[in-house]
Amino acid sequence: DQQVKQNSPSLSVQEGRISILNCDYTNSMFDYFLWYKKYPAEGPTFLISISSIKDKNEDGRFTVFLNKSAKHLSLHIVPSQPGDSAVYFCAASAANFGNEKLTFGTGTRLTIIP
Amino acid sequence: DVKVTQSSRYLVKRTGEKVFLECVQDMDHENMFWYRQDPGLGLRLIYFSYDVKMKEKGDIPEGYSVSREKKERFSLILESASTNQTSMYLCASSSSSGQGGQPQHFGDGTRLSIL
Repeated sequence: DQQVKQNSPSLSVQEGRISILNCDYTNSMFDYFLWYKKYPAEGPTFLISISSIKDKNEDGRFTVFLNKSAKHLSLHIVPSQPGDSAVYFCAASAANFGNEKLTFGTGTRLTIIP
Repeated sequence: DVKVTQSSRYLVKRTGEKVFLECVQDMDHENMFWYRQDPGLGLRLIYFSYDVKMKEKGDIPEGYSVSREKKERFSLILESASTNQTSMYLCASSSSSGQGGQPQHFGDGTRLSIL
């Protein structure tokens, strides 16, 4: 039972263009959503998060959008840079599970083409 | 900067061995976690701990146990290693601030091969 889904295993984007990574979830109790970036042979690093009471959060080149009615979130990277090539994981937490526990998606490998 | 250190980057063990993976964090975080990462499956939670000597099962605890005798250290134990436990193991820690959405901070992982 995959509660957090990333349906695109991979995505290729031209340098300088917008990268859009998508994530869907099924559990309506999730109240925080996070994005992580992972390079090979390194641990995931936290990028950006959003509370379920918001529909947008922005940090520099990274913006996360949340559509609660559709149970969908997306990460926008503008402009895309070669260093953005990595695997991106979305994750979610729910108050009734204890806010500390995260449920992760399966990841999307983003490749930025120079 | 939060530092989560996993004792080994690469480890090779034999079937049936008892294997210990160690993790240390330096930020006085209350929460610590062990995950495994497999291709196409993302990160799956094995065990987590909210406090010293406290532990809770994650989504895939079978074949594993954990120990947290000190706040900064969280150990994952493979009681009798099997080939299906060959994987990348990731340790993480987070603060228990009472607010949701606390990010977890990860170590660089241990790639474990069971022969």
